[in-house]
Amino acid sequence: GAVVSQHPSWVICKSGTSVKIECRSLDFQATTMFWYRQFPKQSLMLMATSNEGSKATYEQGVEKDKFLINHASLTLSTLTVTSAHPEDSSFYICSSISGQETQYFGPGTRLLVL
Amino acid sequence: QKEVEQNSGPLSVPEGAIASLNCTYSDRGSQSFFWYRQYSGKSPELIMSIYSNGDKEDGRFTAQLNKASQYVSLLIRDSQPSDSATYLCAVSLYNNNDMRFGAGTRLTVKP
Repeated sequence: GAVVSQHPSWVICKSGTSVKIECRSLDFQATTMFWYRQFPKQSLMLMATSNEGSKATYEQGVEKDKFLINHASLTLSTLTVTSAHPEDSSFYICSSISGQETQYFGPGTRLLVL
Repeated sequence: QKEVEQNSGPLSVPEGAIASLNCTYSDRGSQSFFWYRQYSGKSPELIMSIYSNGDKEDGRFTAQLNKASQYVSLLIRDSQPSDSATYLCAVSLYNNNDMRFGAGTRLTVKP
């Protein structure tokens, strides 16, 4: 399967700071990238869908001004959690897709906001 | 009604038994169906995809699709303790860009 990386794998930050998470497709060009959030013992929740060079499409209830998504190239998308608070602590996972192929997930980034 | 429904479990089977995981979906026009495995603290990994009615086998895994009943299942033969994980069912209506996930079924295989 395709390889998707995320960086960092985990981050601890103080409340009020911003955190940037990178998602890269390593061996294919991703036409679309997805950002998910998963709280403990809960399922994946899609946050937003991003296409290279265009604005992300956010799911209902996800604040676009708080979760900034940039999809600058076919291999890189970034998610910035602005002014993070403890309730933003979660497991953030990206996935990538090329054309109509299956979604492949990155290893995830665990965020802890103190 | 949720778009993709799974029993949350936990489902417990003894080692060597067959584990049967079920998933139903609401949109009759759905085209693509996937099973992902997620170990605790890890991200999901793709196990199987299935697109047409019937069975699809890959090693110890068999996916079964019945579009008339809007039902997809995953059978794991000769279950191993290493199969203990949460299994996510995902369904796509159009082009895999619109994938919707079930809540997952937690499987425990006891030695």
